[in-house]
Amino acid sequence: EPEVTQTPSHQVTQMGQEVILRCVPISNHLYFYWYRQILGQKVEFLVSFYNNEISEKSEIFDDQFSVERPDGSNFTLKIRSTKLEDSAMYFCASSGGTTYTGELFFGEGSRLTVL
Amino acid sequence: DQQVKQNSPSLSVQEGRISILNCDYTNSMFDYFLWYKKYPAEGPTFLISISSIKDKNEDGRFTVFLNKSAKHLSLHIVPSQPGDSAVYFCAASEAGEKLTFGTGTRLTIIP
Repeated sequence: EPEVTQTPSHQVTQMGQEVILRCVPISNHLYFYWYRQILGQKVEFLVSFYNNEISEKSEIFDDQFSVERPDGSNFTLKIRSTKLEDSAMYFCASSGGTTYTGELFFGEGSRLTVL
Repeated sequence: DQQVKQNSPSLSVQEGRISILNCDYTNSMFDYFLWYKKYPAEGPTFLISISSIKDKNEDGRFTVFLNKSAKHLSLHIVPSQPGDSAVYFCAASEAGEKLTFGTGTRLTIIP
């Protein structure tokens, strides 16, 4: 069964460092997303990406964040200068195929710990 | 701004009985609703969905009910099994755009 894969599963970084989280969405999907979940809180939308551009972003997704689809298979989230409050589980998701139904398929997440 | 609310953070149900998880929303523009199940250290997994043009959708042991006038949906699991123990998130979408999640309900099935 096709799945969304994410790397790394866990990354520890110092405050102020740049971090890149990587995702390989399901191959025929057209819509890509990043969500995050701070420990004990709800899953929050960060950004959606379609047709090689951001289609929507939340207020969390400020200038420190960027997304890219560099090669047609990977979808990356970059945090330029990490803050302590960026510590969270980051989930990549994809949806679509030929028809967008609203169902998102999530990866297992990348845990980011900022020290 | 909690557009999707799950007021019960936890629920315990005896194995074999019915589990009912509830969700309320405030945005009347939501037109698609989903339930996701999440185990620790894993991503959310899609469970079942319902469009706003329907009031019920059933898939095996899982049934979702939508009451648009009350802006309320519920997930029924019957019979409940130990493997159903997880955190359940209600989510809503407007015109196929991003999902807005609730805070989740931790369901524990007691053998």
